[in-house]
Amino acid sequence: KAGVTQTPRYLIKTRGQQVTLSCSPISGHRSVSWYQQTPGQGLQFLFEYFSETQRNKGNFPGRFSGRQFSNSRSEMNVSTLELGDSALYLCASSLEGGKTEAFFGQGTRLTVV
Amino acid sequence: KNEVEQSPQNLTAQEGEFITINCSYSVGISALHWLQQHPGGGIVSLFMLSSGKKKHGRLIATINIQEKHSSLHITASHPRDSAVYICAVRLGGDYKLSFGAGTTVTVRA
Repeated sequence: KAGVTQTPRYLIKTRGQQVTLSCSPISGHRSVSWYQQTPGQGLQFLFEYFSETQRNKGNFPGRFSGRQFSNSRSEMNVSTLELGDSALYLCASSLEGGKTEAFFGQGTRLTVV
Repeated sequence: KNEVEQSPQNLTAQEGEFITINCSYSVGISALHWLQQHPGGGIVSLFMLSSGKKKHGRLIATINIQEKHSSLHITASHPRDSAVYICAVRLGGDYKLSFGAGTTVTVRA
């Protein structure tokens, strides 16, 4: 079966703009989590959605938001982009979160100039 | 202090050597993941453990819940094993993963 699909793979945006990233989970998976990876901070948790509800949120400013649709696809949005938002954004899907195994997408590499 | 500590930070091995990467965590967890990331970004989940030991091909992962410690072993290492290996833990009933800083493994032919 198809894996976790993230689009786009690469993105270049200008400071101050906003961006929307998409994640399509493995079929049947209802939990989608988002992570930011930077050279300085490593991997950090952004938020997790399950059945269209945000269950957990990491320590990121309100400029970072997300949502999940009824088909479990998820989007994350970053408004008023800053240079420091340049990162690899990864999403992971799992059946239910918690103790169920997480499967990662290839990521979206965002560069803010 | 990070909740998840990995060692070593970097590791270089000759092809065929046995490799061990360690992961220690400071709080109770519900699950521990070992992840592999090749240059270019994509992350592959190698194992998810909550107790005992798992084996997949040349990879073995163990966890000791009482000692809050896990190890990832690569037997008969190969240059294609060169990657960053990341330990991640799910804390208690939490739905988020907390990550170690990663171990960069280089296997020379």
